[in-house]
Amino acid sequence: DTGVSQDPRHKITKRGQNVTFRCDPISEHNRLYWYRQTLGQGPEFLTYFQNEAQLEKSRLLSDRFSAERPKGSFSTLEIQRTEQGDSAMYLCAATVPGREKLFFGSGTQLSVL
Amino acid sequence: KNEVEQSPQNLTAQEGEFITINCSYSVGISALHWLQQHPGGGIVSLFMLSSGKKKHGRLIATINIQEKHSSLHITASHPRDSAVYICAVTGAGSYQLTFGKGTKLSVIP
Repeated sequence: DTGVSQDPRHKITKRGQNVTFRCDPISEHNRLYWYRQTLGQGPEFLTYFQNEAQLEKSRLLSDRFSAERPKGSFSTLEIQRTEQGDSAMYLCAATVPGREKLFFGSGTQLSVL
Repeated sequence: KNEVEQSPQNLTAQEGEFITINCSYSVGISALHWLQQHPGGGIVSLFMLSSGKKKHGRLIATINIQEKHSSLHITASHPRDSAVYICAVTGAGSYQLTFGKGTKLSVIP
């Protein structure tokens, strides 16, 4: 158990629908990352939060993607008007400054039909 | 943008063999991570390195900052080591991790 929970584990949606994923780290994890992974590839960075502040956002992220971390605890990633190319595993990771390891959630597998 | 290259892409070994997985990156970094991903499973962090060498059980990770290269070694490999091993780097002055594509390791009994 890494202490990072993601919900849902799987999401199937139709093209054009909006989807929202949630990541719950433990309270000490003030740094939170979102990544996307497609089959056979390494994860790609999407965005980074330190507490509630979104400090970095990948240029890969179109304006259909938005992430929030209200109160610096859980985080949500929303994709609007989903496209088939959005199908991927969405991973959340968290860590504490000074700690060496990143803690990953199990991911949300999104399939856009 | 940092480019992270791993080799080999696929590796099959007999149980008990010594295994080496390599990672090279193109731009200066503040840290390098080795991660393990089992089929259908989540990602587990094995090591974070900024210099030198670290050891944990049968796993050893080394990094050469001047050569922009890191290796992950597994001694006395076991079938339960079968997984994808991913190298990821944090660029200097950045928060984001850039990942390699991973090395798929299969250890045969």
